[in-house]
Amino acid sequence: GQNIDQPTEMTATEGAIVQINCTYQTSGFNGLFWYQQHAGEAPTFLSYNVLDGLEEKGRFSSFLSRSKGYSYLLLKELQMKDSASYLCAVMDSNYQLIWGAGTKLIIKP
Amino acid sequence: DAMVIQNPRYQVTQFGKPVTLSCSQTLNHNVMYWYQQKSSQAPKLLFHYYDKDFNNEADTPDNFQSRRPNTSFCFLDIRSPGLGDAAMYLCATSSTSGSYNEQFFGPGTRLTVL
Repeated sequence: GQNIDQPTEMTATEGAIVQINCTYQTSGFNGLFWYQQHAGEAPTFLSYNVLDGLEEKGRFSSFLSRSKGYSYLLLKELQMKDSASYLCAVMDSNYQLIWGAGTKLIIKP
Repeated sequence: DAMVIQNPRYQVTQFGKPVTLSCSQTLNHNVMYWYQQKSSQAPKLLFHYYDKDFNNEADTPDNFQSRRPNTSFCFLDIRSPGLGDAAMYLCATSSTSGSYNEQFFGPGTRLTVL
């Protein structure tokens, strides 16, 4: 079956760095997405990786290793507004998104 | 601004009373999706349309139907809502000519079943 695993919840301090991991097993691979979702709101696109390596976009970076079925989202200089759920999703061979359940990130002052 | 719009944002219905949720988009994307998301869970794909081609997920209950009368609009009909259908319903769009095929989401409709 297809499976996306990510931690349920993480806590970090304002101004710090946090890394959210995602491992996946899917039938085919056409890219991995990270979305941010604030409570009660829709997911918003953060990043896309299809080749191995690190993609940097401001305070957020995303890493992919296809051979390991592994990705992480790195958030730097954490702000209170970064408190949200972060969803990892993989596009499979049918170009459908397989979603993880999300990691709830709690930022403390 | 180009966007995905969902109406209403909050919908309350009674057990067994049909309800229709609507989605419209100004992005001119050819693919539209309906997801169901319950608290602290992953979004669950119910249907998607590639242009006019309708694709029903195998585990989507018969109670859920969808219509896409044109490129811009898509509807989700729940014929006889049960208590287990209370959830956030998310509409999303994507373009097969886009660079990432990333999905753009509307704000969602939160459905309460009494």
